[in-house]
Amino acid sequence: DTEVTQTPKHLVMGMTNKKSLKCEQHMGHRAMYWYKQKAKKPPELMFVYSYEKLSINESVPSRFSPECPNSSLLNLHLHALQPEDSALYLCASSRVIRDTQYFGPGTRLTVL
Amino acid sequence: GDSVTQMEGPVTLSEEAFLTINCTYTATGYPSLFWYVQYPGEGLQLLLKATKADDKGSNKGFEATYRKETTSFHLEKGSVQVSDSAVYFCALNSNYQLIWGAGTKLIIKP
Repeated sequence: DTEVTQTPKHLVMGMTNKKSLKCEQHMGHRAMYWYKQKAKKPPELMFVYSYEKLSINESVPSRFSPECPNSSLLNLHLHALQPEDSALYLCASSRVIRDTQYFGPGTRLTVL
Repeated sequence: GDSVTQMEGPVTLSEEAFLTINCTYTATGYPSLFWYVQYPGEGLQLLLKATKADDKGSNKGFEATYRKETTSFHLEKGSVQVSDSAVYFCALNSNYQLIWGAGTKLIIKP
């Protein structure tokens, strides 16, 4: 089973709202990733967690705040977003960093 | 730095045609190579991978061979279907991240 799940599937929020995206995997993977994908572009890496610790932050604005409560779960907390943050947010996991990454279906975020 | 170059799309084919999507890369060391597929409105799915030179990845009738001498990983399928219409991304593993090609949109007409 190579399933990564993400909720919600769609999210519409105002610029003053606070919301969270959730990602879950039960493959025993110890690396988890957040990506942002704009239309017709490849994904852009945002954050990497390894063994529940933040390993990489690709200079992402502080209005995006990741959290890894346990080895199966990854959250992305959103606050005071801008319309240009509207995109597909993808979560991925791999056995360890540098191993094959498996992606979830994504959350399509619209910021009004 | 490491990079991946894919043929630009869209690529439009008739059903049952032969498909080739070119992918070349530059990298230090010996990265793993991947093809991911993204169907309309969906996330990314791993289509196939190869971890060393001369390895052939295959899945759902698609194949790609890791060619170190030509630094290529071209995607092929002998007979495409309408359901293969999607965007295809070639990628390589570089340290902690995937390096992506720009993506190739494939359109299959009945």
